[in-house]
Amino acid sequence: QVQLQESGPGLVKPSQTLSLTCTVSGGSISSGGYYWSWIRQHPGKGLEWIGYIYYSGSTYYNPSLKSRVTISVDTSKNQFSLKLSSVTAADTAVYYCARMTGTTPVDPWGQGTLVTVSS
Amino acid sequence: AIRMTQSPSSFSASTGDRVTITCRASQGISSYLAWYQQKPGKAPKLLIYAASTLQSGVPSRFSGSGSGTDFTLTISCLQSEDFATYYCQQYYSYPQSFGQGTKLEIK
Repeated sequence: QVQLQESGPGLVKPSQTLSLTCTVSGGSISSGGYYWSWIRQHPGKGLEWIGYIYYSGSTYYNPSLKSRVTISVDTSKNQFSLKLSSVTAADTAVYYCARMTGTTPVDPWGQGTLVTVSS
Repeated sequence: AIRMTQSPSSFSASTGDRVTITCRASQGISSYLAWYQQKPGKAPKLLIYAASTLQSGVPSRFSGSGSGTDFTLTISCLQSEDFATYYCQQYYSYPQSFGQGTKLEIK
């Protein structure tokens, strides 16, 4: 059974870059067929889909964040990563990594990690 | 981008009640609609996909229906563990999008 786990700093200063990594266990990113995704949830708010990466490196980003987002993959470590640049307090959120396909919804999800943007 | 609108935003009910949550898409999404349950401090849990298919392990008191733009999630007999926030999600087109959530509270 595939499991995902987010890791990274819980506190980021304004204007800096938020960096998170998702480690996948129980399955290989390289096996293909899945899109590895990032989703965030502002405190007490709804869910916002950030983007995905395929094992080949192809990506799709939410246009609302596209100018600041980079998602990359390291198949040798079975990990994928999120970088969000020029952060502000509005980027404070719980960040989830997750798996999906082109025709199925998001499942499973990581447990989520809270990132706070503050000086 | 497709906008998903849920109603109500919050709802009070009692155990044993039958409740229905609705989700409307701003444009047609066929049956590419999922429902999630989220409890405080936890990741969302997939309940239903393809509008009406129950995810493995989800109790049969949960059911979904609809296609096109209008969808419903029904819980036939509320249990104490069902008090949570529910989200719909469209995966018909990118960027994928979620409803704003429906918080189900104990009356």
